[in-house]
Amino acid sequence: QVTLRESGPALVKPTQTLTLTCTFSGFSLSTSGMCVSWIRQPPGKALEWLARIDWDDDKYYSTSLKTRLTISKDTSKNQVVLTMTNMDPVDTATYYCARIRGAVAGPDYWGQGTLVTVSS
Amino acid sequence: DIQMTQSPSSLSASVGDRVTITCQASQDISNYLNWYQQKPGKAPKLLIYDASNLETGVPSRFSGSGSGTDFTFTISSLQPEDIATYYCQQYDNPSITFGQGTRLEIK
Repeated sequence: QVTLRESGPALVKPTQTLTLTCTFSGFSLSTSGMCVSWIRQPPGKALEWLARIDWDDDKYYSTSLKTRLTISKDTSKNQVVLTMTNMDPVDTATYYCARIRGAVAGPDYWGQGTLVTVSS
Repeated sequence: DIQMTQSPSSLSASVGDRVTITCQASQDISNYLNWYQQKPGKAPKLLIYDASNLETGVPSRFSGSGSGTDFTFTISSLQPEDIATYYCQQYDNPSITFGQGTRLEIK
């Protein structure tokens, strides 16, 4: 059974760095073709893809956010970590991690999401 | 980045109605398209992958079609539990993008 769970602070201050952890089970990021992405959704708005890390440690970032994002993995812990620097109130959103099975595929399993509010 | 234009943005229909949502890509994405259902406070749920393949466990009233730049998502007979927001999403390249969503309501 594939599960993913996001964890991190519910509240961050403007200019701070956000660190989110995705802990998953039911698959391994050392398996060829497995990938994990981060996606966010501001309240009442559409989904926005942020970043992806692959089994072979290839990394991809949103064009508009790439200077602020870093994605990494700890295969032994079944975790993927996303950091986003210089947080702003417009970054207030629910942040999801999701599994992608295959280099050319979309997310199939998603975590429940974690709401991050950026406010002083 | 590939832009996904989804329409309509909202839709009101009656139980039993046939419902259709369209999604247009800004460039050819072959059949690299998913459709998701999202209910309030929940994560998106994959319904259709590769434009027309039904995910395991998803009711057969849901279907998808299209290739290239134009895609269609259909609910053949709307049920009360189908009330949700639906999103298309392309995966032609690692920088996936989503449509703006279609909010489906019961008339």
